Amino acid sequence: GAVVSQHPSWVICKSGTSVKIECRSLDFQATTMFWYRQFPKQSLMLMATSNEGSKATYEQGVEKDKFLINHASLTLSTLTVTSAHPEDSSFYICSARVATSNSNQPQHFGDGTRLSIL
Amino acid sequence: SQQGEEDPQALSIQEGENATMNCSYKTSINNLQWYRQNSGRGLVHLILIRSNEREKHSGRLRVTLDTSKKSSSLLITASRAADTASYFCATGSGNTGKLIFGQGTTLQVKP
Repeated sequence: GAVVSQHPSWVICKSGTSVKIECRSLDFQATTMFWYRQFPKQSLMLMATSNEGSKATYEQGVEKDKFLINHASLTLSTLTVTSAHPEDSSFYICSARVATSNSNQPQHFGDGTRLSIL
Repeated sequence: SQQGEEDPQALSIQEGENATMNCSYKTSINNLQWYRQNSGRGLVHLILIRSNEREKHSGRLRVTLDTSKKSSSLLITASRAADTASYFCATGSGNTGKLIFGQGTTLQVKP
């Protein structure tokens, strides 16, 4: 159980294109989803916390107009990289947490999206 | 921002040997979690240890937590080539469920 599906797994597109990445919890409801960015051989950097039915909370230094997050249902969050440029090329990973008041719960991760902007 | 450091950054061992990775953090926590990441993939949750626990086991994994030293260790016993991956510790605090990840340890297990 606790499967998270992330789509697409990789995308190559031209500079200036907007790219949408989907994150779905397949067998559980997730009031909270998280979006991370990972550079080669580095750790995960939290970009934003996505809350169902409300605005996302962005980490310091992350441009909310650049990285649009929508969490319209308990099983789907989307990240749109708007007007992508080569410096936005990276590995983006989402995770979801089971809807619960228990703070001691793991996050369940998607398989990531490798974004390459030409 | 990163919570702390993991050491070693890289570890290479022979199959059958034990692997120990350490994690340090800076702030008070609710729990500490360990994850594994195979190259180019997402993270897989391994084990969660609560702040009031000192040791936890899961199969060949043993995790310890010392809140007075703000440190944790992950021991993998009788390692296998399939254990080759990057291992990350992550700390959870507050009610948001947010995790702060360490820098990670890259483990190579040679057959």
